[in-house]
Amino acid sequence: AQSVAQPEDQVNVAEGNPLTVKCTYSVSGNPYLFWYVQYPNRGLQFLLKYITGDNLVKGSYGFEAEFNKSQTSFHLKKPSALVSDSALYFCGGSGGGNKLTFGTGTQLKVEL
Amino acid sequence: EAGVAQSPRYKIIEKRQSVAFWCNPISGHATLYWYQQILGQGPKLLIQFQNNGVVDDSQLPKDRFSAERLKGVDSTLKIQPAKLEDSAVYLCASSAEGGGRAWEQFFGPGTRLTVL
Repeated sequence: AQSVAQPEDQVNVAEGNPLTVKCTYSVSGNPYLFWYVQYPNRGLQFLLKYITGDNLVKGSYGFEAEFNKSQTSFHLKKPSALVSDSALYFCGGSGGGNKLTFGTGTQLKVEL
Repeated sequence: EAGVAQSPRYKIIEKRQSVAFWCNPISGHATLYWYQQILGQGPKLLIQFQNNGVVDDSQLPKDRFSAERLKGVDSTLKIQPAKLEDSAVYLCASSAEGGGRAWEQFFGPGTRLTVL
């Protein structure tokens, strides 16, 4: 069975500092990996995806993620955090584009 | 483009009552998903439709949950009878078949269900 793990329930970072939200995956076949963000009382919004190609994927709002096959990781990063980035972030993965499994989410809090 | 629409946004019912949720996906999206998101957890796929056919319903509690997608567009998800543990946000999502945005799921705002 496929699984996605987000080991940190919460990440705190000061505005202007770089941020990293961690994700590891276990899927069969070629991994299809995604990051979504969820603001209060809103649905999930797509940030970026890795299907194939360059290991560094650039997405919306200045976010990027690095696919690391050997470590089965897909960490979300941003060089300079903003207070408005504070939200709940979900990593999702599937094997070959089939059923998407989400992690439990990481609450990002960016403080002034 | 218009997003995924869901209604109602909120619903409070007593246990053992029935409830139905409606979803209208993005126009032209062949694939439609229903997820259950319990507080503090990630969304869990309940059922996936490709046009009006079911692709995956392995995690749908079929003794009480049902879903349909008539004519391959709108979809309804029903719970009958509801249990306390069904309290959650029910998310609908849709995705296109191919092109640059393949496999990218677009989510609606969700329906927050409270079962008392």
